[in-house]
Order: sequence, then C-alpha cells, then structure tokens
Amino acid sequence: ETGVTQSPTHLIKTRGQQVTLRCSSQSGHNTVSWYQQALGQGPQFIFQYYREEENGRGNFPPRFSGLQFPNYSSELNVNALELDDSALYLCASSLQDRRETQYFGPGTRLLVL
Amino acid sequence: GEDVEQSLFLSVREGDSSVINCTYTDSSSTYLYWYKQEPGAGLQLLTYIFSNMDMKQDQRLTVLLNKKDKHLSLRIADTQTGDSAIYFCAENPDNFNKFYFGSGTKLNVKP
Repeated sequence: ETGVTQSPTHLIKTRGQQVTLRCSSQSGHNTVSWYQQALGQGPQFIFQYYREEENGRGNFPPRFSGLQFPNYSSELNVNALELDDSALYLCASSLQDRRETQYFGPGTRLLVL
Repeated sequence: GEDVEQSLFLSVREGDSSVINCTYTDSSSTYLYWYKQEPGAGLQLLTYIFSNMDMKQDQRLTVLLNKKDKHLSLRIADTQTGDSAIYFCAENPDNFNKFYFGSGTKLNVKP
C-alpha cells in the first residue's frame, strides 16, 4: 500500500461527456503526476502539478486539464470524451526534489461508450 | 529520447531466475526504474538505479545498467508464482517532470 488513493475505481461515460477523477497524495508528498494507461500499454505521462500549478505536460490535448489543491490532492478533468480515452488513469505522488519517491495509486478505470 | 523498449513476454519455472531486459534512448536519464503491476492494480515501485551506478542489489532483485548501450536489466532470483505480473521499465530524463515507460514485460511463472 502506497498511501495514494484514487476515486472512483471504475467509471462508465458516453462520448462527449465530461469526467473528473480524484487523487489524494501520500502524506508529505507535494507533487502529483497523472498518467494514462491504455490496455496493453505502459503509462503515458499526462501532466504534473506542483504548488497548485501545472509543472510539465505530455502530448495530450487541452481538453485534459487538472487542479491541485492546498492539501496537495488533485483532480484530472477530461472534456468532450472520446472512445480512445478509455483507459486506466493513474495518479502518482512524489516529493519535487526526490524523483525516486514517485508512488502510484491503484488507478481509475474509465470506459467511454 | 522517449522510446523505452521491452520484450513482451517471459515464461520461467518456479525457482529459476528471471531476467527482464529494457533499452532506453535518453542518455541524460539520471534515474531508471523498475515497476511491477499486478492484474487490476496500480504500479508498485520495485527498485531504481542512479545512472552513475552499474549494479544495484536488493534482496532477490538485481539491477544491471549498461549506460554505454543504454541497456537496463532486472534479475529476479528464485522466482516465485507471486512474481507473476507485468514489469515496466521507466526512464526519467533530467527534466524531472516526465517519466517514460516501456510497454511492459509479462512474466509468467509456472509451478
């Protein structure tokens, strides 16, 4: 158990809808990263939040957005859902200056119909 | 350098050693990692290695790094059925923000 929690565990949406996924970071961790893991693939970096600001972004369109709160928890929002957005969404928390401390939550499995 | 390559499958017998290989492309990667993912679960950090090291041992796990060839391997000694999972190699270039993962190697341990 890493102490990183995510909600919900599973979610079904239809194309065009919007979704919000939530992550609580491990105690003491100030940085949250989000990843998308499609079936049979490795995780792909979406973005990272540090001090409530986006601190790096992967190759994802602007309809993927996020927030980080003062308690370091985070949300991932996806607008205008597409079928290809179906994936496991993983949150990872870490300390900004300690790369080896990145720990993952169990993920939210999103199915877009 | 964002291409991390791994073989897709490895099958071993219980008690044997497993060796999972990975190649990466970004020579600036300071840290390289091995993660384990069991069915329906998130990623568990197994171990990591600093780029200035050649080898790191942690109980049954041995990581070997060949920086010249950009090759990373994970050896699991005395492999158990509980080691059956998908293993991901990841690199973290000097830009701390991004981790790049391979597609994973599915390890099947036969009793």
